[in-house]
Parts: sequence; C-alpha cells; structure tokens
Amino acid sequence: SQQGEEDPQALSIQEGENATMNCSYKTSINNLQWYRQNSGRGLVHLILIRSNEREKHSGRLRVTLDTSKKSSSLLITASRAADTASYFCATDAQGAQKLVFGQGTRLTINP
Amino acid sequence: GAGVSQSPSNKVTEKGKDVELRCDPISGHTALYWYRQSLGQGLEFLIYFQGNSAPDKSGLPSDRFSAERTGGSVSTLTIQRTQQEDSAVYLCASSSQTSSFYEQYFGPGTRLTVT
Repeated sequence: SQQGEEDPQALSIQEGENATMNCSYKTSINNLQWYRQNSGRGLVHLILIRSNEREKHSGRLRVTLDTSKKSSSLLITASRAADTASYFCATDAQGAQKLVFGQGTRLTINP
Repeated sequence: GAGVSQSPSNKVTEKGKDVELRCDPISGHTALYWYRQSLGQGLEFLIYFQGNSAPDKSGLPSDRFSAERTGGSVSTLTIQRTQQEDSAVYLCASSSQTSSFYEQYFGPGTRLTVT
C-alpha cells in the first residue's frame, strides 16, 4: 500500500510565487525525503529530513515535518520556470531498508 | 563522476517476447533498487539488492519478472512473455548503503513499450 501521498496532485502558479506541496504518510518513519523528476525520467534527491527534525532548509527549499500529524510540506520560494517538474515524497517504515514513494505533485511554473 | 546508467533508453517489443533491462550503478554503491513508473503515476518498488543478494523481492508483480546482480555491480531486470500492462518506465537507483537514511541516485530509466 502507498505510504506517502502528495497533495495537491497538480499545482500551477506564476513565476516568482511560492509553491507548497504536502505529503501525508501512514506509519512511523525514520526519515522522509523529497525528490524532483523532470520529464518522466530519473529522480533527483532534494532534501532529507529525519524524524527528530521539524524543519530543514536548502537554498530556496524549506521542508517541515510533523510526526504527530504524519505529514510533511515542501515549500519552494521565489519559483522559477526551471522548477517545473513533478515532486515526490519518499518515506521508509522504521526498520525497513527501502523507500516508498508517493504519487507526486505536478508543479507548473508559468512565466 | 559517472552516475547511474541504464540501457536501453527505449525499448519497443511485441507482446510475448522477453526483454532484458540493464542498470550500471555508481561505482562502489552496495545498494541497488528497481522501480516501475506507469504514465503519470508514482514509483512502484520492484526489488532491491544488497551486494548480489536480493533481501526483498516483494514488489515483483509476477513470476515473469526476475532480476539479478553480479559482481556487486551491474544488474539486469528480465521480463518474460511481456504483456501490454508491462509498458512503463523502469527506473534503477543506487545508494551507498542499504538504509533509508541514504539518498538514492537514479538513472534516466528505460521506457518499455509492449505492442
């Protein structure tokens, strides 16, 4: 069964605006990762947040994690056309050695 | 340095034929993962390798699917008697450790079309 589920499924915003994507999961986790995928090909790792962390930053990316609500959010500030891609959250189950990916959010940045 | 490579990048095959997909992980990475992604969908886990052994084959959809890894490096995913529902992008990823604390590095994928 799917562990992580992203919301919304699709998001379209104007360049320069902020984009927020959410991820919910079902079981306890050790960490949560966000990946980006361009053009339906290979995924690129963006950021990892551990279960004992609440917020993490990397450049224009901000990730939050609320383990009590079993949810995470990815915020992209000052969006650019190049941010157009699909974004996936990936979670593990404690003790598991594999990641389970959600369905993804398709982000479109309009110039 | 070289990333994860996959071949072929595209494969069109007739229903009922067998296909072999290849993955070359990043040198030194002990963990190797195979995923399948149908059009517009998320990633479906198929199998992972730790070295040459596959502790978790739970994601393989049927006994038509098999995978092996030799020398702790190259892996091949074989699909026998392909069906149209096998059409998808097959993604390979490698990681320095078999732990969810380590990021996975993905190859560009093989787009398989079964006609």
